[in-house]
Amino acid sequence: DAKTTQPPSMDCAEGRAANLPCNHSTISGNEYVYWYRQIHSQGPQYIIHGLKNNETNEMASLIITEDRKSSTLILPHATLRDTAVYYCIVRVARFGSGAGSYQLTFGKGTKLSVIP
Amino acid sequence: GAVVSQHPSRVICKSGTSVKIECRSLDFQATTMFWYRQFPKKSLMLMATSNEGSKATYEQGVEKDKFLINHASLTLSTLTVTSAHPEDSSFYICSARRLAGQFYEQYFGPGTRLTVT
Repeated sequence: DAKTTQPPSMDCAEGRAANLPCNHSTISGNEYVYWYRQIHSQGPQYIIHGLKNNETNEMASLIITEDRKSSTLILPHATLRDTAVYYCIVRVARFGSGAGSYQLTFGKGTKLSVIP
Repeated sequence: GAVVSQHPSRVICKSGTSVKIECRSLDFQATTMFWYRQFPKKSLMLMATSNEGSKATYEQGVEKDKFLINHASLTLSTLTVTSAHPEDSSFYICSARRLAGQFYEQYFGPGTRLTVT
């Protein structure tokens, strides 16, 4: 079973920031939060990941709450090409860091529709 | 990021025939490869995990004799759907994982659309 909870769908106006929430209240201390997205009929694409600090790259920002029980993916200026299903996944990432799964287990994700 | 390719991207076959799908990591060596399948409007479901040179580990409910996986090298894994039936029609996605320093990185192929008529 996926260890995350996401809203099934969201809309965002083109050019505005898209904020996608994810709850992961049972996250373990050695698990990272990963975000992938899947554009229709393509393979998943890695976006960003983090442990406890906020992270930013050229695609997005990841805000993780202090208790690590939830996070938000931010696409600062959404475009039509960002329309996709976004998956929030928690997993162990660091080799030898203890018990837990290294696998990527996909839940249902959030279908983000960017509207012109 | 690292690149994973799949071939073919689309295949149509007749019921009862076998189909082979190739997955290659183009610019890195993948210690582990994964095969997922995805039905329309559903999420990805892990079918099996394979390590180079050893037998694949299949998820519960996935028939190992029907979905043959060969991981002959660190850059190539193949999935063969044997005696395909219409219910095997699906989107098959492979993924390759490498260990970069102390961290696992996982990359996905573009997927193969299988239609069995």
